[in-house]
Amino acid sequence: GAGVSQSPSNKVTEKGKDVELRCDPISGHTALYWYRQSLGQGLEFLIYFQGNSAPDKSGLPSDRFSAERTGGSVSTLTIQRTQQEDSAVYLCASSFWPKYEQYFGPGTRLTVT
Amino acid sequence: GENVEQHPSTLSVQEGDSAVIKCTYSDSASNYFPWYKQELGKGPQLIIDIRSNVGEKKDQRIAVTLNKTAKHFSLHITETQPEDSAVYFCAASGSNYQLIWGAGTKLIIKP
Repeated sequence: GAGVSQSPSNKVTEKGKDVELRCDPISGHTALYWYRQSLGQGLEFLIYFQGNSAPDKSGLPSDRFSAERTGGSVSTLTIQRTQQEDSAVYLCASSFWPKYEQYFGPGTRLTVT
Repeated sequence: GENVEQHPSTLSVQEGDSAVIKCTYSDSASNYFPWYKQELGKGPQLIIDIRSNVGEKKDQRIAVTLNKTAKHFSLHITETQPEDSAVYFCAASGSNYQLIWGAGTKLIIKP
């Protein structure tokens, strides 16, 4: 079946602009995660959605970052007033709660010039 | 807080030799330990996992061992091949069905 999809695959934006990154989880997966991966680095947790529960936003690095999940499916990560240090690959994963196995999308590579 | 330490950060082995990557976790309540492989330009993919009621699990050339007393778990890859070159991440289960991730190991297979 279809895996996790993310769009766009690449995004180049100017410093100060806002960007929106989209994630389509696997159908039926109620849990959704966003991670950030800087070049050559590990997975930095950003935010976690599970069903109708309040999201765990503990990993968001600043108030310029926000995310929403509409209808328990598609999620959008928004970065306002982008900075050069926001350049990274943004990965989305989903899981069939209450299971731990996470399935990742291919990521969105964000470059802020 | 909960954390997972992973070593080494980079591992270079000759093709055909074995590779071992080790992780240590802090939360004694962790009971699920997956390993993910991330190839260049792709998202991480689950390759093997182990639960706390099992000491070892094998799947062809890869195996994972778990020592709950010492809070260690390891990934073993035998007869390494060029396609094994990737970044490997370990993780341990945390609260609310989240995973605590190691920092990753870049595995290089030398021809």
